[in-house]
Amino acid sequence: AQSVTQPDIHITVSEGASLELRCNYSYGATPYLFWYVQSPGQGLQLLLKYFSGDTLVQGIKGFEAEFKRSQSSFNLRKPSVHWSDAAEYFCAVVYNNNDMRFGAGTRLTVKP
Amino acid sequence: SAVISQKPSRDICQRGTSLTIQCQVDSQVTMMFWYRQQPGQSLTLIATANQGSEATYESGFVIDKFPISRPNLTFSTLTVSNMSPEDSSIYLCSVVEGENYGYTFGSGTRLTVV
Repeated sequence: AQSVTQPDIHITVSEGASLELRCNYSYGATPYLFWYVQSPGQGLQLLLKYFSGDTLVQGIKGFEAEFKRSQSSFNLRKPSVHWSDAAEYFCAVVYNNNDMRFGAGTRLTVKP
Repeated sequence: SAVISQKPSRDICQRGTSLTIQCQVDSQVTMMFWYRQQPGQSLTLIATANQGSEATYESGFVIDKFPISRPNLTFSTLTVSNMSPEDSSIYLCSVVEGENYGYTFGSGTRLTVV
């Protein structure tokens, strides 16, 4: 079955520290890959997406993600976290039927 | 990218009643999707609604409970029927457009069933 996994339910980092959120997908072919952020009571905001080409993708708000085919992963990174980054982060995949499937989400807490 | 207007933004409903959620897009799109986000959970796809065909429902969702209309390329509705407190969720519509797979989400409808 097509699926996307976010192994970490909750991550806490100190402000200014680096961040990496994990995402793995399972399918024979490489799907289209997305990262979204959702602040409390807010809608979804697209951070970045990967279709093909350069495996290191730059997004908004200083985020980047790297696609690694060998590991079926698309991890999200940020070199220095800001308090405003505290939110829920969702990895999502799209396969050839065009519907988007979401991971369970990772809640990020930022300590002062 | 497309702009989606989703109404209502929130509602509190009595159990046993039905609520129809509207999704209006400012451009013509072929594919529209409806999602549910239960409290503290991720988004789960309810159905795909393409204009000119019956909606395709995901496992666990049925047409009698979540009837969907898609009368044209800019509009869709999702009805949550015979509601129970377990239906309390955020419901979102989404569209995809273009070769670059621009997925846009509505702001959501926060439904509370009492």
